[in-house]
Amino acid sequence: DAGITQSPRHKVTETGTPVTLRCHQTENHRYMYWYRQDPGHGLRLIHYSYGVKDTDKGEVSDGYSVSRSKTEDFLLTLESATSSQTSVYFCAIRTEWDRGLNTEAFFGQGTRLTVV
Amino acid sequence: GNSVTQMEGPVTLSEEAFLTINCTYTATGYPSLFWYVQYPGEGLQLLLKATKADDKGSNKGFEATYRKETTSFHLEKGSVQVSDSAVYFCALWGSGAGSYQLTFGKGTKLSVIP
Repeated sequence: DAGITQSPRHKVTETGTPVTLRCHQTENHRYMYWYRQDPGHGLRLIHYSYGVKDTDKGEVSDGYSVSRSKTEDFLLTLESATSSQTSVYFCAIRTEWDRGLNTEAFFGQGTRLTVV
Repeated sequence: GNSVTQMEGPVTLSEEAFLTINCTYTATGYPSLFWYVQYPGEGLQLLLKATKADDKGSNKGFEATYRKETTSFHLEKGSVQVSDSAVYFCALWGSGAGSYQLTFGKGTKLSVIP
């Protein structure tokens, strides 16, 4: 599992409340990602990070923010949760070797978020 | 931008049947191609990969060949088992611009019945 832990694993929250999901890694990887998984859409990138305090948007970033204050933690925040953000959220890290010619992604176990 | 198209599911097969899940892609340059598998209630696991044209990835009896001429990476298995029931995702990691993310297809749910 490449030492990736997501917390919480399940959460139910009310519309309009802020929610923060945490991804923790133990192997000092530079790149970290947040995806959401929805039926009929596969996995879509929300935000990613390429280093401490270095983040960028993915294809479905509206309504989400991220922070990475240390290498091991990547936080995803829903500023004001909406029902459309009910989803399963996956964190991933990227490993590279052979000077970047080989790369793989490893995923956490996911966080199931329900916004009611 | 990069994109991945895989066959719609769900797919239901009898045990020991032959499996093909089609995957085609659009990308510039020389992407790396992957198949991930997701068992019920779990995260995604890398099943196999190929990093250049004509490479064949294989694992657990599954195979896929990187075909640049047809921009395809179809997943095959000669004899499926009930334990292969899962959702399968085709994905690519682009080269150059767009290489910052893994782009996924929408997934194909496979059910294998005894």
